[in-house]
Amino acid sequence: DSGVTQTPKHLITATGQRVTLRCSPRSGDLSVYWYQQSLDQGLQFLIQYYNGEERAKGNILERFSAQQFPDLHSELNLSSLELGDSALYFCASSVEHSGGANEQFFGPGTRLTVL
Amino acid sequence: GDSVTQMEGPVTLSEEAFLTINCTYTATGYPSLFWYVQYPGEGLQLLLKATKADDKGSNKGFEATYRKETTSFHLEKGSVQVSDSAVYFCALSAADYKLSFGAGTTVTVRA
Repeated sequence: DSGVTQTPKHLITATGQRVTLRCSPRSGDLSVYWYQQSLDQGLQFLIQYYNGEERAKGNILERFSAQQFPDLHSELNLSSLELGDSALYFCASSVEHSGGANEQFFGPGTRLTVL
Repeated sequence: GDSVTQMEGPVTLSEEAFLTINCTYTATGYPSLFWYVQYPGEGLQLLLKATKADDKGSNKGFEATYRKETTSFHLEKGSVQVSDSAVYFCALSAADYKLSFGAGTTVTVRA
């Protein structure tokens, strides 16, 4: 158990809908990262938050947004869903200290299926 | 930008065979290097890491050495078990902290 929790575990929805994925980082970790794992794109970095502020953006679509709350949990919002958004969405957290390896701990993922 | 290239699978081995998964990287500066493992139906787990050139990461019989001159971080295990069947990802983290992953290599070990 990595200490990172994600809900829900599975999500099935229809095209055009909007969903919210939730992540709670390990106790003490200030950074949260979101990744998308799909068969055709592999594992891709979406976005990072550090202590409530957006730190970095990767290949995140404009239809997707995220935020990190004062209690450090994070939510990833996916809207106007398309079939191609079906994927595993992972959240990871880290302490993020300079000079270290910045080891990231991954949650179990949310499997999103868009029908 | 930063990128990781790892050997394509799938790789199928017999128990007690030697496993090597090649990984090379492109990055500016001096990244940290990682191997993550994903067992069926589960999330990613850190297997081992190395933060500077010539560092050797090791865990559960797996080893990888950070080779700056060849920009490589190949994963090796001397004697695999059925329980090592999983997908293995090579990854790097540079100054921006995000992880850049390779495509993953599926390893199946047969009894």
